[in-house]
Amino acid sequence: AQKITQTQPGMFVQEKEAVTLDCTYDTSDPSYGLFWYKQPSSGEMIFLIYQGSYDQQNATEGRYSLNFQKARKSANLVISASQLGDSAMYFCAMREVTSGSRLTFGEGTQLTVNP
Amino acid sequence: NAGVTQTPKFRILKIGQSMTLQCTQDMNHNYMYWYRQDPGMGLKLIYYSVGAGITDKGEVPNGYNVSRTTTEDFPLRLELAAPSQTSVYFCASSYDRGGYGYTFGSGTRLTVV
Repeated sequence: AQKITQTQPGMFVQEKEAVTLDCTYDTSDPSYGLFWYKQPSSGEMIFLIYQGSYDQQNATEGRYSLNFQKARKSANLVISASQLGDSAMYFCAMREVTSGSRLTFGEGTQLTVNP
Repeated sequence: NAGVTQTPKFRILKIGQSMTLQCTQDMNHNYMYWYRQDPGMGLKLIYYSVGAGITDKGEVPNGYNVSRTTTEDFPLRLELAAPSQTSVYFCASSYDRGGYGYTFGSGTRLTVV
């Protein structure tokens, strides 16, 4: 079974609008962490945001916020006020306590921001 | 602040050749990882290490070997290269098991022909 599912292979958004990238996860560990990474066309992996399973508040980092719904096992990334530079591949990833420090990645969502 | 350095950035190998992908980090991180990313896909874990002298298999270890003789270095060895190993390889490191702190290298693009 897939541990991380990203159901949107591609998403389009107009510049300055908000966009939500979906991520659902599957784990039976009580302690886990959820990550979002951005991969621009240049190829590097850029850390965006982290949410711990015991965190009470949704994580925010500038224009990025994570909509964490624990009961639904979803960890959607919200990008507000999209910019052309946000066009990239976005990956959701999970670290489970039973897997130590290893990250499991989803297949990614290609976001295109249109002017 | 070099972070995680991978060499080479690009390489073309012939089927059956061998090579070593180099990875070094200067952050004194205990944990190091090798991932591969096939076109249009997510990253899959090949091998990881929790400290010098300790390595373990990830999700897709076949065809690869690793060693961790120092905290800084974590080379990935490809023996008898096959076209299925055409991929982008990322090395990463983290200080401990928790939270953020994963630092990725810039990747090695390998083509096996």
